[in-house]
Amino acid sequence: EVQLVESGGGLIQPGGSLRLSCAASGFTVSGNYVSWVRQTPGKGLEWVAVIYSGGSTYYGDSVKGRFTISRDNSKNTVYLQMNSLRAEDTAVYYCARLYSGSYMDYWGQGTLVTVSS
Amino acid sequence: DVQMTQSPSSLSASVGDRVTFTCRASQSLNGYLSWYQHKPGKAPKLLIYAASSLQSGVPSRFSGSGSGTDFTLTISSLQPEDFATYYCQQTYTTPLTFGQGTKLEIK
Repeated sequence: EVQLVESGGGLIQPGGSLRLSCAASGFTVSGNYVSWVRQTPGKGLEWVAVIYSGGSTYYGDSVKGRFTISRDNSKNTVYLQMNSLRAEDTAVYYCARLYSGSYMDYWGQGTLVTVSS
Repeated sequence: DVQMTQSPSSLSASVGDRVTFTCRASQSLNGYLSWYQHKPGKAPKLLIYAASSLQSGVPSRFSGSGSGTDFTLTISSLQPEDFATYYCQQTYTTPLTFGQGTKLEIK
């Protein structure tokens, strides 16, 4: 059974850093594309980043240069390192498998990040 | 970047109604269009992929159509559990982008 479990969210001050984890089971992160998506309070879904099976990474315009997606194949886990956090980064962050680079078929339950002083 | 525009932004309907949501892309997507249902406090759920393919386990009252830049999601007969927000997403090119969503409310 495919499962994704996010962790690492919490309250952080503006300018701070946080690392989110997405632990996968039922498939290998090394052989798949995995993405992060966020939902900001009262707003819609926003795509954040993706890591391809080959290791290439891509980012949304609002996080480029501040966030880094990576993976640890031995732990079957994908990470999102978030630096220089801003209030507008406050959101529930989801990880999802991007099957064949085409659609997000499995999602985690989400982890809340709150950026506030 | 590919802009995704959904309409309407909200819709009120009754159980049993047929409803249609539209999604327009700023460039052709070659079929790389998905639809998701999102309820508060839950993970988004994939409904339709490749514009018209029904995800396994999704009721057949959901259907998708369209090509190029214009796409639709139809629910043939609304059920109480269908009241949620619906998003389209393009995965043709990065940055991947979602529409702003259509909130489906009970009339």
